[in-house]
Amino acid sequence: GQQVMQIPQYQHVQEGEDFTTYCNSSTTLSNIQWYKQRPGGHPVFLIQLVKSGEVKKQKRLTFQFGEAKKNSSLHITATQTTDVGTYFCAGVRGATNKLIFGTGTLLAVQP
Amino acid sequence: GAVVSQHPSRVICKSGTSVKIECRSLDFQATTMFWYRQFPKKSLMLMATSNEGSKATYEQGVEKDKFLINHASLTLSTLTVTSAHPEDSSFYICSPVVGGGLGNEQFFGPGTRLTVL
Repeated sequence: GQQVMQIPQYQHVQEGEDFTTYCNSSTTLSNIQWYKQRPGGHPVFLIQLVKSGEVKKQKRLTFQFGEAKKNSSLHITATQTTDVGTYFCAGVRGATNKLIFGTGTLLAVQP
Repeated sequence: GAVVSQHPSRVICKSGTSVKIECRSLDFQATTMFWYRQFPKKSLMLMATSNEGSKATYEQGVEKDKFLINHASLTLSTLTVTSAHPEDSSFYICSPVVGGGLGNEQFFGPGTRLTVL
């Protein structure tokens, strides 16, 4: 079964509100990546985190990798309607390029 | 970023027919290709990994005789869904591995939406 879980499954926010999705792996990851998928589209790479405790920012998006390298989070400040989509974390285990995708969080933003 | 194309983008077929999906890396060479399947409102599930010139490695639960993968060149990989059934209806996405490093950013094809009647 799915070994990388994300919560919540779905989040509906008003434009301007913040949003956070959490990603948890049952095992330690060598790195974690985040993707955004718009309805009908394919996943688009957002960022990769490699180091324990790493924090990266991209404008209104803040990504964190847990100290134990088993969890991660994506926080969006002041959401906009363009942020709508499903956000997936994807973990890499060991010496492989295989991505294990999380269950995803669908974000809906009401104007 | 890397440019990946998939053909067809959408296909509707009758139950029992076979469907071939092509994935091309247009501006780079991919020694490794991942094939994913995504059911509606679900996550991407890795089906198989193919390496140019060798047999594909399938994930647990994926029938290798049903999902035939051919990675004959560094720019083309194909997935053939044989004797398709309605439960095979899904969004199929290829993802070539760019670069030799581990855990590199992966690029995805635009996907093929298969509907089996």
